[in-house]
Amino acid sequence: QQQVKQSPQSLIVQKGGISIINCAYENTAFDYFPWYQQFPGKGPALLIAIRPDVSEKKEGRFTISFNKSAKQFSLHIMDSQPGDSATYFCAATSGGSNYKLTFGKGTLLTVNP
Amino acid sequence: ETGVTQTPRHLVMGMTNKKSLKCEQHLGHNAMYWYKQSAKKPLELMFVYSLEERVENNSVPSRFSPECPNSSHLFLHLHTLQPEDSALYLCASSQDPGSGELFFGEGSRLTVL
Repeated sequence: QQQVKQSPQSLIVQKGGISIINCAYENTAFDYFPWYQQFPGKGPALLIAIRPDVSEKKEGRFTISFNKSAKQFSLHIMDSQPGDSATYFCAATSGGSNYKLTFGKGTLLTVNP
Repeated sequence: ETGVTQTPRHLVMGMTNKKSLKCEQHLGHNAMYWYKQSAKKPLELMFVYSLEERVENNSVPSRFSPECPNSSHLFLHLHTLQPEDSALYLCASSQDPGSGELFFGEGSRLTVL
């Protein structure tokens, strides 16, 4: 019940295309859903996050879509650029005294020039 | 120095060695974490410290021993490790424990021979 399932495992997109990464969860107590971006040799960095009271959040070219009834959320990267090539992790937490941030397995995104 | 810094960046040790990983955060955060990152696996939470008190020990073997002498420093003491412990060990901090907004260091790549 604590799992977050992420797909696809890897994704290749042409420059200018749309990258879409999907995540699904089971625990209805989760109330905060961040996405992290990790470049090779670096630690993960918070990219964008959403709470279940909204269905969409956009920051620049990055958008999270959230479907509470389906217990799914996704990251869309518009106008993908080679500099976006990285591993992306979705995560979820119920916060409070639950200190655990549950991560998906990650998606390796490659954006070809 | 800014953010979260980890040393050493790379460590090779034998199964009988004793070594330590060091983490320092310069963000004034109240919580610090150790995560283990292995290939094709979700990030695994190991330990959480809130205001220097350990609040989470995620069933980690006793060959890993954390220490948090103050709110800015976190150590992971390693002894009699196994080859399967080879991984990237990530330190992170957050303003509050249970927050999903983690700031990660670049990690310490550990190889156990």
